[in-house]
Amino acid sequence: EVQLVQSGAGVKKPGESLKISCEVSGYSSTDYWIGWVRQMPGKGLEWMGIIYPGDSLTRYSPSFEGQVTISADNFISSAYLQWSSLKASDTAVYFCALGVVGSIPYFDYWGQGTLVTVSS
Amino acid sequence: DIQMTQSPSTLSASVGDRVTLTCRASQSIDTWLAWYQQKAGKAPKLLIYKASSLQSGVPSRFSGSGSGTEFTLTISSLQPDDFATYYCQQYNSYSGTFGQGTKVEIK
Repeated sequence: EVQLVQSGAGVKKPGESLKISCEVSGYSSTDYWIGWVRQMPGKGLEWMGIIYPGDSLTRYSPSFEGQVTISADNFISSAYLQWSSLKASDTAVYFCALGVVGSIPYFDYWGQGTLVTVSS
Repeated sequence: DIQMTQSPSTLSASVGDRVTLTCRASQSIDTWLAWYQQKAGKAPKLLIYKASSLQSGVPSRFSGSGSGTEFTLTISSLQPDDFATYYCQQYNSYSGTFGQGTKVEIK
């Protein structure tokens, strides 16, 4: 069974840094993409970016490029989403998701979501 | 960046109704479109990929159609478990984009 397990919820102050994780298990191949999707409170899904852990090829939505960093460690089947300086507007649930097909995938499998709260 | 627009934003329907949700792309995306269902507090679930291919395990009452810029998701007979929010996603361009969602609520 394919599982994406995300790190737990966190409360941070504006200006702090944060790195959340997503660990993949049960997928028989290393040929996949991991994407990150934001959902602000009461709002819709926003596609942030994707990474191919095999060679760390990364693609960002123009809305998120420069605002976050997506990385991966293929040896431990994990992907990461990182902020260097959080803002209150980063408060949201962040989902990781796994996609296989194509250079920009749809997402077959999803993590449970990580709630990030940024508040002074 | 390709924009995706879903309509309606909210749809009120009854169990047993046939419902159709629409998703429009700002430029042609061929059939590179997926549909997801999301229930409150849960992760989205893939229903349809490549505009009309049913994901394994998804009930056959769900179907997708369209190509180019206009797409539809149809639920042939709405069931209690189907009340949720539905999102389309294009995966044609350099970056993917979701529509803003259609909430299907009980009439």
